[in-house]
Amino acid sequence: QSVLTQPPSASGTPGQRVTISCSGSSFNIGNNDVYWYQDLPGMAPKLLIYRSDQRPSGVPDRFSGSKSGTSASLAISGLRSEDEADYYCAAWDDSLSGVVFGGGTKLTVL
Amino acid sequence: QVQLVESGGGVVQPGRSLRLSCAASGFTFRNYVMHWVRQAPGKGLEWVALTSYNGNDRYYADSVRGRFTISRDNSKNTLYLQMDSLRVEDTAVYFCARCGTYGSGRYSDLGWFDPWGQGTLVTVPS
Repeated sequence: QSVLTQPPSASGTPGQRVTISCSGSSFNIGNNDVYWYQDLPGMAPKLLIYRSDQRPSGVPDRFSGSKSGTSASLAISGLRSEDEADYYCAAWDDSLSGVVFGGGTKLTVL
Repeated sequence: QVQLVESGGGVVQPGRSLRLSCAASGFTFRNYVMHWVRQAPGKGLEWVALTSYNGNDRYYADSVRGRFTISRDNSKNTLYLQMDSLRVEDTAVYFCARCGTYGSGRYSDLGWFDPWGQGTLVTVPS
């Protein structure tokens, strides 16, 4: 059971907009920034969003992040086949004194 | 360019030990918090441990505390993970990752992993 809760799966067709949620508590998301990672098979995970809503250089602006209270979301607009991957949220947890991840969401592009 | 290269993985019997290394290059290693993160086969990402820039502060996941030790040698630009009393459930790909920023002093930034190494596989057979 992960400390951060994500839906196990999400899907969309090319060009659509999809949103992946990440739910936590006051100890993690409620008091700290959220980070989003893309995990492709056989590759190292890649940072998509940092400090809840900031996009690193090189990440397409189709990816965006937001946070409200103890929940966060990753939105992907203009869905493309290469976006098919696993997505993870992460945050520091003040109670556990460690980093916690969501269980991951497998995105399928239909 | 920034690069992290893990080594030291392999097959090890339950109860035995293994040490992983992560060689860093392309950045000022001594400035950055460093992490180990693992991923069991077919499973999600799990944070394992972190060390402060100078090695004085270390944090561990409950699942490995007391069995694993994270350390660093800033003179060699290398991060280590000493894994003792290994269990079947420790089987995973182990990634080292750099904190995405340095000097902020914000615990909130500790969830920021960028970049990641390619990982090294540790197998503890049943």
